[in-house]
Amino acid sequence: DVVMTQTPVSLPVSLGGQASISCRSSQSLVHSNGNTYLHWYLQKPGQSPQLLIYRVSNRFSGVPDRFSGSGSGTDFTLKISRVEPEDLGDYYCLQSTHFPRTFGGGTKLELK
Amino acid sequence: QIQLVQSGPELKKPGESVKISCKASGYTFTDYAMHWVKQAPGKGLKWMGWINTYTGKPTYADDFKGRFVFSLEASASTANLQISNLKNEDTATYFCARDVYSDFAYWGQGTLVTVSS
Repeated sequence: DVVMTQTPVSLPVSLGGQASISCRSSQSLVHSNGNTYLHWYLQKPGQSPQLLIYRVSNRFSGVPDRFSGSGSGTDFTLKISRVEPEDLGDYYCLQSTHFPRTFGGGTKLELK
Repeated sequence: QIQLVQSGPELKKPGESVKISCKASGYTFTDYAMHWVKQAPGKGLKWMGWINTYTGKPTYADDFKGRFVFSLEASASTANLQISNLKNEDTATYFCARDVYSDFAYWGQGTLVTVSS
């Protein structure tokens, strides 16, 4: 299975500040069709995960442009600028290039 | 709008079975596969597998072969997850989820299954 390693586990931030989360995969996430199936989610307490970024860098419908994704191959980053209170929660990356789909271990974004 | 509405929380004893439903609306049910994801209390997300809503064929991740069954009531736009011979470690919230670009764009609200004697 592809192992997804997310860092840091916990990320204290100030409101209005910037946050950066890393996700590294144990093998390349480039599919044979040329697409890279790496996605990012936010799970707020007591809620379902919500899709933020799909296929590395595409914001899902309704996601503010404060969220941006980048990366290639095995190394990916989610950046959140101008952090707002509603951004706090657990962030997960997911790869769906390889079977089985695997999630990163999660990053808790919390107030400093 | 696209919605996935899951059945309510369940409290079961070890050895019993449970069936969770996920009712889809706002799109053609058979156009998209349905996936299942497990989240144990205080833990991360784990993909369980998926079911082809057109053919009914299920595919299970290795850790979910044997006691777990995905099924459909296609006429009711509903996907089901049944877990038999429940164990304490099955205590978790189970989510159904649907792709747009192989990306779990839409999620059910989750169903908490508690296994306790």
